Amino acid sequence: EIVLTQSPGTLSLSPGERATLSCRASQSVSSSYLAWYQHKPGQAPRLLIYGASSRATGIPDRFSGSGSGTDFTLTISRLEPEDFAVYYCQQYGSSPLTFGGGTKVEIK
Amino acid sequence: QVQLVQSGAEVKKPGASVKVSCKASGYTFTNYAMHWVRQAPGQRLEWMGWINAGNGNTKYSQNFQGRVTITRDTSASTAYMELSSLRSEDTAVYYCASAVSMFEQLVIGYWGQGTLVTVSS
Repeated sequence: EIVLTQSPGTLSLSPGERATLSCRASQSVSSSYLAWYQHKPGQAPRLLIYGASSRATGIPDRFSGSGSGTDFTLTISRLEPEDFAVYYCQQYGSSPLTFGGGTKVEIK
Repeated sequence: QVQLVQSGAEVKKPGASVKVSCKASGYTFTNYAMHWVRQAPGQRLEWMGWINAGNGNTKYSQNFQGRVTITRDTSASTAYMELSSLRSEDTAVYYCASAVSMFEQLVIGYWGQGTLVTVSS
């Protein structure tokens, strides 16, 4: 199965700053079938990005995804207070679908 | 709008089975795949499997070694996940989650509220 490694584990930033989250796959993710989710405590995860770079419906354009093969990035251009959460990448190009370990974006 | 409402929390003994339901509304149930994902305390999200709600075909993660069964009742727009031979490591929040669209059945777009399953003697 494809193992996804996210870095850093925790990102301490202030509102208005730029966040860059990394997701590295143990083998190539076919057709860039890579998604990103935001997860807040007590809530269900929220789809942000799929196909490595397509924003889901209703997602603000400060969220962007890029990458291919084994290296993917989620960028939040200017952090808003509601963006502090845990972010997971997930590949759906091969079974089993797998998730990364998450990056926590916390307020500095 | 898409809504997925799951059944309530469960406490089970080791060796027992649990069945979690997920009632869908706001879309044509048979058009979208339904996935099941769980998260144990302090662990990453773990995909369990999915069902084609239209024809009932399923695919499971081998990590569950045949212990998971996903079914659906199209007349009730409800999907079910049953996990057998429970052990303490199965203590987790279990989510149902539907595909984001008919054309992206493996993209998990909408999530239920989660069901806590606790396995304890």
